[in-house]
Amino acid sequence: GQQVMQIPQYQHVQEGEDFTTYCNSSTTLSNIQWYKQRPGGHPVFLIQLVKSGEVKKQKRLTFQFGEAKMNSSLHITATQTTDVGTYFCAGRIQGAQKLVFGQGTRLTINP
Amino acid sequence: NAGVTQTPKFRVLKTGQSMTLLCAQDMNHEYMYWYRQDPGMGLRLIHYSVGEGTTAKGEVPDGYNVSRLKKQNFLLGLESAAPSQTSVYFCASSYYRYTNTGELFFGEGSRLTVL
Repeated sequence: GQQVMQIPQYQHVQEGEDFTTYCNSSTTLSNIQWYKQRPGGHPVFLIQLVKSGEVKKQKRLTFQFGEAKMNSSLHITATQTTDVGTYFCAGRIQGAQKLVFGQGTRLTINP
Repeated sequence: NAGVTQTPKFRVLKTGQSMTLLCAQDMNHEYMYWYRQDPGMGLRLIHYSVGEGTTAKGEVPDGYNVSRLKKQNFLLGLESAAPSQTSVYFCASSYYRYTNTGELFFGEGSRLTVL
């Protein structure tokens, strides 16, 4: 079954509001990746986190990896209409060769 | 560079028909994957390959077969299509191993409808 859970499934915000999506694993992860998929498009890699407690920033996006390497979050500050899309986390289970994707969080924005 | 190319982009099948989806990558990646995407289910791994001549099952392999005869190509076959296989299929490739550069490069997707 699904080992990587992502919440919320949907989020609608006003432009300028902040947005956060959370990713939780039932087992320890070796690393976690985040992807963005625009409507009608394909997933595009955003970032990879590897270290326990790691925090990385990309402009208005902040990514965190939990201390226990079982959860992660993506926070967008002051959303813009270009942020619309579905955000996926993908975790590599320790000892496994494949990534397991979360269900994704679909972000829509009211301009 | 084209990256990852999938063909065809759209296909409509009748139940019981067979077809093959082709994925080609020009990045010399070792790893290749086939995912399906359904509403509310995220991306689910069907099969993957860690190198030429090797394949392995993912989360939802039933009803599909794959082959990796050449390093740059990964084929996904449906021997007898079923309506439950209506989905968007994504091929992806990655360099070497997940823990290194590891990012997945996705194709643009193939939308399959089985009537």
